[in-house]
Amino acid sequence: GAVVSQHPSWVICKSGTSVKIECRSLDFQATTMFWYRQFPKQSLMLMATSNEGSKATYEQGVEKDKFLINHASLTLSTLTVTSAHPEDSSFYICSEGGTGINEQFFGPGTRLTVL
Amino acid sequence: AQSVTQLDSQVPVFEEAPVELRCNYSSSVSVYLFWYVQYPNQGLQLLLKYLSGSTLVESINGFEAEFNKSQTSFHLRKPSVHISDTAEYFCAVSGTSYGKLTFGQGTILTVHP
Repeated sequence: GAVVSQHPSWVICKSGTSVKIECRSLDFQATTMFWYRQFPKQSLMLMATSNEGSKATYEQGVEKDKFLINHASLTLSTLTVTSAHPEDSSFYICSEGGTGINEQFFGPGTRLTVL
Repeated sequence: AQSVTQLDSQVPVFEEAPVELRCNYSSSVSVYLFWYVQYPNQGLQLLLKYLSGSTLVESINGFEAEFNKSQTSFHLRKPSVHISDTAEYFCAVSGTSYGKLTFGQGTILTVHP
C-alpha cells in the first residue's frame, strides 16, 4: 500500500501560536487527502477533505479559518492550526485516498499539545 | 448520516484463545465496511473490507469479519490470537464509493501470554 508520512510526530506549543503539520504521500500522487482528529479515548473524527489545487471541504463544526489546509501538490498537504488553544490539543492524522474503493492509507499521526 | 458503535473499548484475551470484536453501524444508504488496525506508534492499516459479494471477508493474518445486514453488524473474529495481534482495532463505514470514513470508538485488543 501507499506510504504516508507526517511531520512532526509531536509538537508542543504555547497558546496563541500557530502550528503547521505536514502530510506527505511518499510513493503515490494523492489528489485527495483527509485530515482527522482523535481526542483521547475517542474515535477519529474527519475534519476536512483536501483536494489538490482546490479549496478543502470542511466537516460541520470545523472552523476553516482556524484549521487552514493547503494541498498545493500531489504529494503534500499541510494543516495549520492557527492561534492554538489548549482545547486544540489532540492527535491529528492524515490519510490519502489510495487507488482502491475507499481504501485510505494513513499517516502515523501528529500529537499536538498546546500549553 | 452514519454512525458506528464498537461495543467493547478493551478486550483482554490469552494467547491462542478466540476473539470477537463487535461492531454495529447505522446508515440510511448502502454501506462499505472496514476494519483498520493500529499498532503502537504506527498509523492505521487496513485489515479487511466489505464492498459487495460474499458477506464473509478475510484478512491475510487470520482475521475474518461477516457483514450481517439484518443485524447491521460487521463483527471481527479470529479463532486463535497471537501476542502480535495486540493493537487497537477500528471499525469504519462509508456510504459512497469513494469518500469519507466514519469510525467507531476503537477496541484495544490485548493478548496475554
